[in-house]
Amino acid sequence: QVQMVQSGAEVKRPGASVKVSCKASGYTFTNYDINWVRQATGQGLEWMGWMIPKGGDSGYAQNFLGRVTLTRDTSRSTAYMELSDLRSEDTAVYYCARGPHSSYYAMDVWGQGTTVTVSS
Amino acid sequence: QSALTQPASVSGSPGQSITISCTGTKSDVGGYKSVSWYQQHPGEAPKLLIYDVNDWPSGVSRRFSGSRSGNTASLTISGLQTEDEADYYCCSYNGLTYVFGTGTRLTVL
Repeated sequence: QVQMVQSGAEVKRPGASVKVSCKASGYTFTNYDINWVRQATGQGLEWMGWMIPKGGDSGYAQNFLGRVTLTRDTSRSTAYMELSDLRSEDTAVYYCARGPHSSYYAMDVWGQGTTVTVSS
Repeated sequence: QSALTQPASVSGSPGQSITISCTGTKSDVGGYKSVSWYQQHPGEAPKLLIYDVNDWPSGVSRRFSGSRSGNTASLTISGLQTEDEADYYCCSYNGLTYVFGTGTRLTVL
């Protein structure tokens, strides 16, 4: 079945960077986009950006321009989200989500989430 | 871009119907067919319920339905069940980026 499996929880110091992975299985990795969404504790969902695995193009939400980098390794069917210059307000659960954008614009399969804690 | 506006909470009794609104602008909800809805239970990842305003992904109950009027989209849940108690988020694609709604907590009394 289609799955998105993310890497484990991270604890980082302010100013550091974090890289979260998202391994896709059960479908052709390059046929679907990958979105990244985060959720602070008790808060709503916030879209961060997306990446097109086929060519590697990416797009970012205004709030994250310059701090987030989305990449992929097609040989491993894995997408990566790297967030730099971490602040306490970046403490959140980070999700990857598949986007079937050749059919419609939404996120149809989600990873289990990766908790990132930023603390001194 | 600002989050889409949803009511913070709604409630209903088992068997009843409820509607959750999602208000944006002509640059997102009102301008594109790409409005989707997600259900999220505590501690779980969101689940896609509706895409393209009123279409269903495979496996989603037809008790969930979507609509849109102008810049406001709506999610209606009919025949409320206790397992429908969750948070619900709308989302709109605006041609370049996505924006989520503020989220609505549904309580089934």
